[in-house]
Amino acid sequence: DARVTQTPRHKVTEMGQEVTMRCQPILGHNTVFWYRQTMMQGLELLAYFRNRAPLDDSGMPKDRFSAEMPDATLATLKIQPSEPRDSAVYFCASGLGRGQPQHFGDGTRLSIL
Amino acid sequence: GESVGLHLPTLSVQEGDNSIINCAYSNSASDYFIWYKQESGKGPQFIIDIRSNMDKRQGQRVTVLLNKTVKHLSLQIAATQPGDSAVYFCAESGGRDDKIIFGKGTRLHILP
Repeated sequence: DARVTQTPRHKVTEMGQEVTMRCQPILGHNTVFWYRQTMMQGLELLAYFRNRAPLDDSGMPKDRFSAEMPDATLATLKIQPSEPRDSAVYFCASGLGRGQPQHFGDGTRLSIL
Repeated sequence: GESVGLHLPTLSVQEGDNSIINCAYSNSASDYFIWYKQESGKGPQFIIDIRSNMDKRQGQRVTVLLNKTVKHLSLQIAATQPGDSAVYFCAESGGRDDKIIFGKGTRLHILP
């Protein structure tokens, strides 16, 4: 089965460090989404792309977070500088657009000390 | 101070019984609905979807029912098994963009 692949699966780093999370969407999918999941807030949409173009990043703290798609096989989410409140599980999902399900990776569990 | 996490409703079901997980959605313009299953340490996994022109759809051991009049969605799991233990999310979408809106989730607990 085709899968969304996320790396790293776990990341522990100190406050102030740059964090980069990577996602390989399912081949042929034209939409890519970044979500954050915490116990307090549940699943929150941070940003999404269609055909590699960013369409909505309103859920993302723009002073420290950035999301890009350098090519169709790679999406990145960067945090610089990281803060303890960024600790969460970050999920990437890809899909075929409106009216189709999104398929999720298994996430990056991020801990900022 | 005490931390307060997101309180998930929990449904406890005897192994072998049928489970029914309910979800109320908010947007009357939503026309596409999805159920996801999330096991510990994994991402949400697509189970089944339904469009607003249908009121019932069946998969393998699962059935989704849609009642647009009262904006209610349910997931029925037949003959619940230990492997069904997870958090289940309903999600909705509509309008012109690709986003889907997730509900808060329900934890399904299987009793031996």
